[in-house]
Order: sequence, then C-alpha cells, then structure tokens
Amino acid sequence: AQSVTQPDIHITVSEGASLELRCNYSYGATPYLFWYVQSPGQGLQLLLKYFSGDTLVQGIKGFEAEFKRSQSSFNLRKPSVHWSDAAEYFCAVGTSGGYNKLIFGAGTRLAVHP
Amino acid sequence: EPEVTQTPSHQVTQMGQEVILRCVPISNHLYFYWYRQILGQKVEFLVSFYNNEISEKSEIFDDQFSVERPDGSNFTLKIRSTKLEDSAMYFCASRGTGGSNYGYTFGSGTRLTVV
Repeated sequence: AQSVTQPDIHITVSEGASLELRCNYSYGATPYLFWYVQSPGQGLQLLLKYFSGDTLVQGIKGFEAEFKRSQSSFNLRKPSVHWSDAAEYFCAVGTSGGYNKLIFGAGTRLAVHP
Repeated sequence: EPEVTQTPSHQVTQMGQEVILRCVPISNHLYFYWYRQILGQKVEFLVSFYNNEISEKSEIFDDQFSVERPDGSNFTLKIRSTKLEDSAMYFCASRGTGGSNYGYTFGSGTRLTVV
C-alpha cells in the first residue's frame, strides 16, 4: 500500500538558516510527488510537484525539492528561511493510475526563531 | 489563477443534524475529491468522484456520507447525522487531466464543529 513518512514532527531553525524537510514514500510505480504548506487555520497551498523529468524541481517561495528514486525520497529544501515560512509542511504522493487520490504524510511543523 | 471555492468557511452543528458542505471546483477539471483533517492530524482522503459517480472511497466514508454534483458546477459533501468525531476541517479538491494540467487544487476548507 502507498504511504508517506515524514520523520520529523517538529523542526526549529533560525531565520536565515538553511532548511531540509524529509519525506520518504512507498509506492510501487512512478509516483507523483507534492509538497504543500499550511499556515494555522488555513488551507493547503501547493509549493511544488514532481511528475517526471528533472529530479530537482523548483517551487514557489524559494523552495526546491529533489526526487531520489533509489532512496524513495523527496526532500524539501530552502537555502535561507524567513520568519514567514513558519507553518506545517505536508508531503504527499499521488498514484499514477486510477483516480489518483493523494496520500499525505503526517506533516512537519516548522518554527523559525528570529 | 483559478480557485476552488468552499462554503461555508465555518459551520457549527448539533450532533445528529445533517450538514452539507459545498464546493465549486475549477471549471475544466474532471476529478473531484473530499479530504478531511482532524485538528492536529494529517490530511485524510475521503472520496473521489469522476463522471458523476464515486470512483473510490476510504473506510471513513461510511453510509453517513454522500457526495453529489447536482448542477454541473457544485460538488457537495453531505453528512447525514453528524457525530462529535466528524469535527474536522474538510477540504475539497479538483484535478485536471494529464500533462501540464495535472495538479490538484485545494479549497480553503470548511471547519466543521459538531457540538
């Protein structure tokens, strides 16, 4: 069965520091991979997505993610974090067949210290 | 940029009452979804809808739940007799077809509180 694991429940970084949020997935075929961000009480905003091609994808707000098939990972990175990046981040895998529901990880809550 | 619109943004209902959550998906999308997020937990798939019928549903989506696309633009989720544990944020999403159109767009959610 498909699954997504985000090993870090909470991460705290200082403003200006680099960030990497981990995501591992389990899926037998080629996955469609997504990162979403959710501010408190808000909806889900798409940061970036990977379907095929270049394994390094660029997203909004200066985020990027790298798909590594050998490691079943799709880690999210940002070179310099801003205070406004404090939020919850969800990795998701979409099945490439059928009706393509999304399966979400449990999320990583990011806190940013000034 | 096209949006998925959900109404209401908040709803408080008494246990046992029926609620209908409404969504207007993106007009040229063909696949529609409902997801649920209980406070502090991850987002969970409820149901997918395509070609005017349910294509897949999760274990959560029991007989108390139903979905409908009554008029070609709205997509609704009905909970027939709400329970306390139905309190959650409910997200509607729609999806385009393949290629560059492939992508989910989520609404801002409806926060349902059952008292």
